[in-house]
Amino acid sequence: SYDLTQPPSVSVSPGQTASITCSGDKLGDKYVCWYQQKPGQSPVLVIYQDTKRPSGIPDRFSGSNSGNTATLTISGTQAMDEADYSCQAWDSSTVLFGGGTKLTVL
Amino acid sequence: EVQLVESGGNLVQPGKSLRLSCAASGFNFDDHAMHWVRQVPGKGLEWVSGISWNSYSIDYGDSVKGRFIISRDNAKNSLYLQMNSLRPEDTALYYCVRDMVGPTSGVGTTFDYWGQGTLVTVSS
Repeated sequence: SYDLTQPPSVSVSPGQTASITCSGDKLGDKYVCWYQQKPGQSPVLVIYQDTKRPSGIPDRFSGSNSGNTATLTISGTQAMDEADYSCQAWDSSTVLFGGGTKLTVL
Repeated sequence: EVQLVESGGNLVQPGKSLRLSCAASGFNFDDHAMHWVRQVPGKGLEWVSGISWNSYSIDYGDSVKGRFIISRDNAKNSLYLQMNSLRPEDTALYYCVRDMVGPTSGVGTTFDYWGQGTLVTVSS
């Protein structure tokens, strides 16, 4: 089966750049999207098709995908960005999620 | 405004059945594939099942294959999940989600709208 691997946690200082990775075999050949989830809330789409931002998502959120790794980058991280982030892809009629990464803004 | 409202979650004994419903509004329901995604509180997201606009294409995650049945009624703008032979490990919050790509899921499948979820607890 195909797996997506994320680090369990990432820490960043306010105003700095946070990078959250998602790894999988030849992941660059697939489209990846990213969801943000805050405690007690449903997930929110922040990046789709590797690099696109839905309307209403701040431009400090960006994405890339190449080789075996997709990356969600948050520039100028704010306290409000503290949340869980999950990557997702589609492969062989199956939707796959990474295990999620807890972003802490200290 | 797009809205997805799940219902039907409950406490149920192992081996029993439960049917979840999702009422959709604010968009052309039959223009989109729909899915169920679940989440054990405090854990990650797990895809459960997806269905194309016309119900011709249906897929399931390995953990529920053969036990759960997804269906939809476009006339009622509703999505369903029939859950049979429930196990304690099926305990989770179940989300109804819309595939933004369009009527059939595939490359680029992306979930742009999520409901608030309905809680299923399987325990004796």
